[in-house]
Amino acid sequence: SSALSQSPSVSVSPGQTVNIACSGDPVGADSVSWYQQRPRRSPFLVIYQNNRRPSGVPERFSGSKSGNTATLTITGTQPMDEAHYYCRTWDSTNAIFGGGTELTVL
Amino acid sequence: QEQLVESGGGVVQPGRSLKVSCSGSGFTFSNFIMNWVRQAPGKGLEWVGFISYDGSSQYYADSVKGRFIISRDNSRNTVYLQMNSLRVEDTAVYYCARDRNFARWGQGTPVTVSS
Repeated sequence: SSALSQSPSVSVSPGQTVNIACSGDPVGADSVSWYQQRPRRSPFLVIYQNNRRPSGVPERFSGSKSGNTATLTITGTQPMDEAHYYCRTWDSTNAIFGGGTELTVL
Repeated sequence: QEQLVESGGGVVQPGRSLKVSCSGSGFTFSNFIMNWVRQAPGKGLEWVGFISYDGSSQYYADSVKGRFIISRDNSRNTVYLQMNSLRVEDTAVYYCARDRNFARWGQGTPVTVSS
């Protein structure tokens, strides 16, 4: 299958750690990036090449990959992290996005 | 600073055409592939296609192949998305995004296909 699967929603308490998973065959074949999208805003890159963090992205964001599953981890979650998170990879010359996970910080 | 700005969105009838643009600044535009991504109301992100550095190659999602055309003018630091035979289901905010990592995104331009 060329689809990427994400849980539709997850919730976390402020200061706690949350993991957001992305699974599918294409994950095993190429590197994965993660994007944050706050309401009414454009997507924003938070992790690329599985575990690299762009300059300016807080250290509490990290990424990992094992087999066909990639994981975005937010350690010490802040209320401002409440957003949708999308994974993305390449399947040959086609980019594929996961369906997105809505993170609620309660 | 690095910036992408889309323009040209609007309301169009089914079956008609529309061309949207994306202008880049603050970086060497011709060094990067450029992507188009869309987001239907209340839905997730859908990749539309990308164009190579020099415009010699383009790749498209199956949902738009044969109807949409991506082109670029590096002298104007601009990439274009020509949308033909538009359908109601093409209604979305259209974003341009820079490079293989989609490291920079524009603010998006809304396209509504409705009779």
